[in-house]
Amino acid sequence: SQTIHQWPATLVQPVGSPLSLECTVEGTSNPNLYWYRQAAGRGLQLLFYSVGIGQISSEVPQNLSASRPQDRQFILSSKKLLLSDSGFYLCAWKRDREYNSPLHFGNGTRLTVT
Amino acid sequence: AQKITQTQPGMFVQEKEAVTLDCTYDTSDPSYGLFWYKQPSSGEMIFLIYQGSYDQQNATEGRYSLNFQKARKSANLVISASQLGDSAMYFCAMREGGNTGTASKLTFGTGTRLQVTL
Repeated sequence: SQTIHQWPATLVQPVGSPLSLECTVEGTSNPNLYWYRQAAGRGLQLLFYSVGIGQISSEVPQNLSASRPQDRQFILSSKKLLLSDSGFYLCAWKRDREYNSPLHFGNGTRLTVT
Repeated sequence: AQKITQTQPGMFVQEKEAVTLDCTYDTSDPSYGLFWYKQPSSGEMIFLIYQGSYDQQNATEGRYSLNFQKARKSANLVISASQLGDSAMYFCAMREGGNTGTASKLTFGTGTRLQVTL
């Protein structure tokens, strides 16, 4: 069976510090990978998605970036965090080329920028 | 314009009763998919049910069913026999476009918070 791991679960970082959130998927190959952000009490906003190693599409131009160094690894980064980067970050995967396939989410990282 | 609209920020339902959570969508693409997710207070997103735009019948999955009215562009979630564990945020989401071989993206609504009472 497939599983998705996302860490850390909680993170408190000062403004201007770097960020690295990691997500890995097990039990499948060539998944489509996604990073979403959820502001408090709001819906999910797509930040980045990837169809393969090194292939990243950005939906929201901000001080965040994403990388996919391996097939089942997806990393969200920032060089300098802003207060507005606070939120709940969710990684997700779906089967490649399966239109009806739902997204499967990790447990999320709650980031507070102080 | 909002692609997914959930007009009910909060809903209450008594245990064992049925409840309908509203979702309307906006797309000009003839091929699309609609999804419902549940988000408990723990934060995880749990997939509940899927409806394709070409599906002839309403989707059902256990106590969950989707009231799909294509002409009205609505895809309401019906939860029958509510349980205390159904208390959570519920999100409607849409994927546009057919299977082009590229990663397809889900656009989410703002959610409805459901509270099940005794």
